[in-house]
Amino acid sequence: GNSVTQMEGPVTLSEEAFLTINCTYTATGYPSLFWYVQYPGEGLQLLLKATKADDKGSNKGFEATYRKETTSFHLEKGSVQVSDSAVYFCALSDLSNFGNEKLTFGTGTRLTIIP
Amino acid sequence: DGGITQSPKYLFRKEGQNVTLSCEQNLNHDAMYWYRQDPGQGLRLIYYSQIVNDFQKGDIAEGYSVSREKKESFPLTVTSAQKNPTAFYLCASSRSGSNTGELFFGEGSRLTVL
Repeated sequence: GNSVTQMEGPVTLSEEAFLTINCTYTATGYPSLFWYVQYPGEGLQLLLKATKADDKGSNKGFEATYRKETTSFHLEKGSVQVSDSAVYFCALSDLSNFGNEKLTFGTGTRLTIIP
Repeated sequence: DGGITQSPKYLFRKEGQNVTLSCEQNLNHDAMYWYRQDPGQGLRLIYYSQIVNDFQKGDIAEGYSVSREKKESFPLTVTSAQKNPTAFYLCASSRSGSNTGELFFGEGSRLTVL
Protein backbone atom coordinates (compact mmCIF):
# COMPACT_ATOMS: atom_id res chain seq x y z
CA GLY A 1 0.00 0.00 0.00
CA ASN A 2 0.88 3.67 -0.08
CA SER A 3 2.97 5.21 2.64
CA VAL A 4 4.72 8.46 3.48
CA THR A 5 7.76 8.81 5.71
CA GLN A 6 8.88 12.20 6.91
CA MET A 7 11.62 13.24 9.25
CA GLU A 8 10.75 13.14 12.88
CA GLY A 9 10.63 16.33 14.84
CA PRO A 10 10.56 18.48 16.60
CA VAL A 11 12.77 20.77 14.57
CA THR A 12 13.93 24.01 16.17
CA LEU A 13 15.67 26.69 14.13
CA SER A 14 16.67 30.30 14.55
CA GLU A 15 14.95 32.96 12.48
CA GLU A 16 16.44 33.32 8.96
CA ALA A 17 17.91 29.81 9.01
CA PHE A 18 17.58 27.42 6.07
CA LEU A 19 14.91 24.75 6.44
CA THR A 20 14.71 21.24 5.03
CA ILE A 21 12.07 18.72 6.05
CA ASN A 22 12.61 15.37 4.39
CA CYS A 23 9.76 13.32 2.91
CA THR A 24 9.93 10.03 1.03
CA TYR A 25 7.06 7.95 -0.25
CA THR A 26 6.04 4.51 -1.43
CA ALA A 27 3.22 4.27 -3.93
CA THR A 28 1.92 2.34 -6.87
CA GLY A 29 1.35 4.31 -10.01
CA TYR A 30 2.01 8.02 -10.22
CA PRO A 31 0.64 9.84 -7.20
CA SER A 32 0.43 13.56 -6.66
CA LEU A 33 2.40 14.89 -3.70
CA PHE A 34 1.48 17.57 -1.20
CA TRP A 35 2.67 19.52 1.78
CA TYR A 36 0.03 20.63 4.25
CA VAL A 37 0.64 22.97 7.20
CA GLN A 38 -1.20 23.07 10.52
CA TYR A 39 -0.87 26.22 12.60
CA PRO A 40 -1.55 25.95 16.35
CA GLY A 41 -5.21 25.22 17.13
CA GLU A 42 -6.24 25.03 13.48
CA GLY A 43 -7.00 22.48 10.81
CA LEU A 44 -4.66 21.71 7.93
CA GLN A 45 -4.12 23.98 4.95
CA LEU A 46 -2.60 23.04 1.62
CA LEU A 47 0.84 24.64 1.36
CA LEU A 48 2.00 23.37 -2.03
CA LYS A 49 1.69 20.44 -4.39
CA ALA A 50 3.26 18.72 -7.39
CA THR A 51 1.39 16.42 -9.71
CA LYS A 52 4.14 14.80 -11.79
CA ALA A 53 7.82 13.98 -11.73
CA ASP A 54 10.22 16.96 -11.74
CA ASP A 55 7.40 19.40 -10.94
CA LYS A 56 8.26 22.00 -8.33
CA GLY A 57 5.57 23.24 -6.01
CA SER A 58 6.05 26.60 -4.31
CA ASN A 59 4.16 28.92 -1.99
CA LYS A 60 5.02 31.51 0.69
CA GLY A 61 8.75 30.98 0.08
CA PHE A 62 8.51 27.22 0.52
CA GLU A 63 9.50 24.85 -2.29
CA ALA A 64 9.44 21.11 -2.93
CA THR A 65 10.42 19.13 -6.03
CA TYR A 66 8.83 15.82 -7.01
CA ARG A 67 11.79 13.43 -7.42
CA LYS A 68 10.59 10.14 -8.87
CA GLU A 69 14.06 8.58 -8.96
CA THR A 70 14.52 9.01 -5.22
CA THR A 71 10.76 8.89 -4.37
CA SER A 72 11.17 12.11 -2.42
CA PHE A 73 9.42 15.45 -1.94
CA HIS A 74 11.57 17.40 0.52
CA LEU A 75 10.28 20.76 1.77
CA GLU A 76 12.72 23.69 1.78
CA LYS A 77 12.72 27.36 2.67
CA GLY A 78 15.69 29.66 2.42
CA SER A 79 14.95 31.91 5.39
CA VAL A 80 12.38 30.92 7.98
CA GLN A 81 10.35 33.30 10.12
CA VAL A 82 8.75 32.93 13.53
CA SER A 83 5.36 32.82 11.79
CA ASP A 84 6.42 29.56 10.06
CA SER A 85 6.19 27.72 13.36
CA ALA A 86 3.66 24.96 12.73
CA VAL A 87 3.32 21.25 12.04
CA TYR A 88 4.08 20.22 8.44
CA PHE A 89 2.57 17.12 6.83
CA CYS A 90 3.73 15.44 3.66
CA ALA A 91 0.98 13.56 1.81
CA LEU A 92 0.28 11.67 -1.38
CA SER A 93 -2.92 11.11 -3.29
CA ASP A 94 -4.57 7.82 -4.03
CA LEU A 95 -6.81 8.32 -6.99
CA SER A 96 -7.41 4.61 -7.56
CA ASN A 97 -10.85 4.81 -6.00
CA PHE A 98 -12.93 6.51 -8.70
CA GLY A 99 -10.96 9.72 -8.45
CA ASN A 100 -11.78 10.17 -4.81
CA GLU A 101 -9.26 12.36 -3.03
CA LYS A 102 -7.99 9.87 -0.50
CA LEU A 103 -4.75 11.19 0.90
CA THR A 104 -2.11 9.25 2.81
CA PHE A 105 -0.36 11.49 5.32
CA GLY A 106 3.01 11.32 7.00
CA THR A 107 3.27 11.64 10.76
CA GLY A 108 3.96 15.37 10.69
CA THR A 109 7.02 17.41 11.67
CA ARG A 110 6.68 20.11 14.29
CA LEU A 111 8.76 23.19 13.44
CA THR A 112 9.57 25.89 15.97
CA ILE A 113 11.38 29.07 14.94
CA ILE A 114 13.16 31.03 17.64
CA PRO A 115 13.58 34.81 17.22
CA ASP B 1 -17.15 33.02 3.37
CA GLY B 2 -17.12 29.41 2.28
CA GLY B 3 -15.62 26.83 4.53
CA ILE B 4 -16.00 23.90 6.86
CA THR B 5 -17.41 24.27 10.34
CA GLN B 6 -16.81 21.67 13.01
CA SER B 7 -18.49 21.66 16.39
CA PRO B 8 -17.96 21.47 19.24
CA LYS B 9 -14.33 22.53 19.38
CA TYR B 10 -13.81 20.75 22.71
CA LEU B 11 -15.84 17.86 24.06
CA PHE B 12 -15.58 15.76 27.17
CA ARG B 13 -17.23 12.38 27.44
CA LYS B 14 -17.57 9.76 30.09
CA GLU B 15 -16.63 6.21 29.22
CA GLY B 16 -19.52 4.25 27.75
CA GLN B 17 -21.21 7.26 26.17
CA ASN B 18 -21.69 7.87 22.47
CA VAL B 19 -20.88 11.33 21.16
CA THR B 20 -21.57 12.97 17.81
CA LEU B 21 -19.24 15.49 16.17
CA SER B 22 -20.76 17.88 13.67
CA CYS B 23 -19.25 18.84 10.31
CA GLU B 24 -20.94 21.27 7.92
CA GLN B 25 -19.58 22.68 4.66
CA ASN B 26 -20.87 25.37 2.32
CA LEU B 27 -18.30 24.80 -0.42
CA ASN B 28 -20.70 22.69 -2.51
CA HIS B 29 -18.22 19.83 -2.34
CA ASP B 30 -19.39 16.32 -3.08
CA ALA B 31 -16.79 14.46 -1.04
CA MET B 32 -16.30 14.65 2.71
CA TYR B 33 -13.88 12.91 5.07
CA TRP B 34 -13.18 12.30 8.73
CA TYR B 35 -9.61 11.96 9.96
CA ARG B 36 -8.27 11.24 13.40
CA GLN B 37 -5.03 12.88 14.55
CA ASP B 38 -2.91 11.44 17.34
CA PRO B 39 0.53 12.64 18.44
CA GLY B 40 3.26 10.93 16.47
CA GLN B 41 0.83 9.15 14.17
CA GLY B 42 -0.26 11.84 11.77
CA LEU B 43 -3.73 11.67 10.26
CA ARG B 44 -5.63 8.46 9.80
CA LEU B 45 -8.78 8.17 7.69
CA ILE B 46 -11.92 7.03 9.55
CA TYR B 47 -14.70 7.35 6.96
CA TYR B 48 -15.27 9.16 3.70
CA SER B 49 -18.25 9.91 1.50
CA GLN B 50 -18.22 10.71 -2.19
CA ILE B 51 -21.90 11.45 -2.51
CA VAL B 52 -25.07 11.84 -0.48
CA ASN B 53 -26.39 8.62 1.08
CA ASP B 54 -23.13 6.79 0.42
CA PHE B 55 -20.00 6.41 2.54
CA GLN B 56 -17.02 4.09 2.82
CA LYS B 57 -14.86 2.88 5.67
CA GLY B 58 -11.38 4.25 5.93
CA ASP B 59 -8.41 2.68 7.67
CA ILE B 60 -9.70 2.89 11.25
CA ALA B 61 -13.52 2.76 11.06
CA GLU B 62 -14.10 0.40 14.00
CA GLY B 63 -16.03 2.07 16.79
CA TYR B 64 -17.23 4.94 14.59
CA SER B 65 -20.33 5.58 12.49
CA VAL B 66 -21.32 8.29 10.02
CA SER B 67 -24.28 9.43 7.96
CA ARG B 68 -24.56 11.56 4.83
CA GLU B 69 -28.19 12.60 4.49
CA LYS B 70 -27.36 16.03 3.09
CA LYS B 71 -24.54 17.20 0.85
CA GLU B 72 -23.54 19.84 3.40
CA SER B 73 -23.37 17.63 6.46
CA PHE B 74 -21.27 14.62 7.50
CA PRO B 75 -21.61 13.95 11.26
CA LEU B 76 -19.35 11.44 13.00
CA THR B 77 -20.51 9.39 15.98
CA VAL B 78 -17.85 8.03 18.29
CA THR B 79 -19.46 5.03 19.91
CA SER B 80 -18.71 3.32 23.20
CA ALA B 81 -17.12 0.54 21.16
CA GLN B 82 -14.19 2.80 20.26
CA LYS B 83 -11.47 1.65 22.62
CA ASN B 84 -9.34 4.77 22.62
CA PRO B 85 -11.48 7.72 21.54
CA THR B 86 -9.45 10.56 23.02
CA ALA B 87 -8.03 12.37 19.98
CA PHE B 88 -8.26 15.37 17.69
CA TYR B 89 -10.82 14.84 14.91
CA LEU B 90 -10.62 16.65 11.60
CA CYS B 91 -13.31 16.89 8.96
CA ALA B 92 -12.44 17.72 5.36
CA SER B 93 -14.08 18.08 1.99
CA SER B 94 -13.09 18.11 -1.67
CA ARG B 95 -14.64 18.33 -5.10
CA SER B 96 -15.13 14.71 -6.06
CA GLY B 97 -13.31 13.73 -9.20
CA SER B 98 -11.32 16.95 -9.33
CA ASN B 99 -8.08 14.97 -9.13
CA THR B 100 -6.37 17.91 -7.49
CA GLY B 101 -5.79 16.13 -4.21
CA GLU B 102 -6.71 19.28 -2.34
CA LEU B 103 -8.67 18.80 0.84
CA PHE B 104 -10.24 21.66 2.76
CA PHE B 105 -10.15 21.11 6.50
CA GLY B 106 -12.19 22.34 9.41
CA GLU B 107 -10.53 23.55 12.60
CA GLY B 108 -11.05 20.25 14.36
CA SER B 109 -12.80 18.88 17.43
CA ARG B 110 -10.82 17.69 20.43
CA LEU B 111 -12.52 14.81 22.25
CA THR B 112 -11.41 13.80 25.72
CA VAL B 113 -12.78 10.75 27.46
CA LEU B 114 -12.75 11.06 31.23
